[in-house]
Amino acid sequence: ERVMTQSPATLSVSPGERATLSCWASQSVKNNLAWFQQKPGQAPRLLIYDVSTRATGIPARFSGSGSGTGFTLTISSLQSEDFAVYYCQQYNNWPLTFGGGTKVEIK
Amino acid sequence: EVQLVDSGGNLVQPGGSLRLSCAASGLSFSNSAMSWVRQAPGKGLEWVSAISGSGVDTYYADSVEGRFTISRDNSRSTLHLQMNNLRAEDTAIYYCAKRFHDNGGAFDVWGQGTLVTVSS
Repeated sequence: ERVMTQSPATLSVSPGERATLSCWASQSVKNNLAWFQQKPGQAPRLLIYDVSTRATGIPARFSGSGSGTGFTLTISSLQSEDFAVYYCQQYNNWPLTFGGGTKVEIK
Repeated sequence: EVQLVDSGGNLVQPGGSLRLSCAASGLSFSNSAMSWVRQAPGKGLEWVSAISGSGVDTYYADSVEGRFTISRDNSRSTLHLQMNNLRAEDTAIYYCAKRFHDNGGAFDVWGQGTLVTVSS
């Protein structure tokens, strides 16, 4: 099983600042890595797939990078609507696995 | 517009059974690989089960193998999850999710979720 580890667990950021979230895989997942955003009471929303491709309607301030076992989600300038929990997920191997999440909160 | 609507969640006693459904619209359902993902209260996301577009291939997390059965009715664009021998640790919001391709890809569309509570 590919274990996905996210850091930090909580990230305190001021609006307008840059946020950098990390995700590590216990073994290579190639480029089969996605990022999701989840707000309270809502279903997850796909932000990034295949490491760096933004999903439909996702603003350009969201970007993804990395390869193999180490990945990063960057939010270039945090807006009020970006404060949420973010999950990475690998879809290279069964079972499909998610990271534990990073909560981005207002500083 | 592509839409998934989850239903069937309820309060059930330990050892009981429940059948969840996910109604799809606005997509070529038979060409879409589907999954169930759950989220226990206050916890993260956990993939539960997956099924190919044809329904031939199915996959399960170890935590539900032998107790849960995923199926689909492509004529009705509906996905199901039959849950038997339920445990307290199965308490969660269950989401159905569609994958980009029949042979893989990220989850690009999610249902709104349905709450399953296992308690006496």
